[in-house]
Amino acid sequence: GDSVTQMEGPVTLSEEAFLTINCTYTATGYPSLFWYVQYPGEGLQLLLKATKADDKGSNKGFEATYRKETTSFHLEKGSVQVSDSAVYFCALSASNTGNQFYFGTGTSLTVIP
Amino acid sequence: DGGITQSPKYLFRKEGQNVTLSCEQNLNHDAMYWYRQDPGQGLRLIYYSQIVNDFQKGDIAEGYSVSREKKESFPLTVTSAQKNPTAFYLCASSADSHYEQYFGPGTRLTVT
Repeated sequence: GDSVTQMEGPVTLSEEAFLTINCTYTATGYPSLFWYVQYPGEGLQLLLKATKADDKGSNKGFEATYRKETTSFHLEKGSVQVSDSAVYFCALSASNTGNQFYFGTGTSLTVIP
Repeated sequence: DGGITQSPKYLFRKEGQNVTLSCEQNLNHDAMYWYRQDPGQGLRLIYYSQIVNDFQKGDIAEGYSVSREKKESFPLTVTSAQKNPTAFYLCASSADSHYEQYFGPGTRLTVT
């Protein structure tokens, strides 16, 4: 079945370091892909999305490109800040019928000054 | 402002009591969802509803119940049959089950 696999955490980086959080997916159709961010004690916020192959989603300095050939949607940021410390979730919305929205297990990021 | 509200933010109950968590949205979304999140864990789907007066069990529906009498409301009842109810509960909605989901701020339930 459809699924999302993201890299295990936790990830600890120094401020201004480059961030990559890997996400790969398995899907039978043509899914849409999402990254969500969760700050401590809060709900999830949509960070960015891509709805078809080769689309690049971007927001707040974060980017991810929908790569069909590698079934990946890795999250990147060129220079992280302390305020980026949060848990990041990759998600997939399948194109077949019914409720088919899948979340990864989340990757915790801590940015130290 | 459009969005999803969950109340209360913190809820405390004694074991053996049923408790209802509120979720309201004014986004005019058809689909609504309830998730459970345990410390350091991902999201697990409890129930979802794609339309008023219809809902489906998710992966961990046992010990929970829902209703969808109005488009904007999707309350979750945690019954005394739920063996381990202490968790963070998240409600979400989407225009359609294939579109992005928007989340409320969550309710942290503690049962002692």
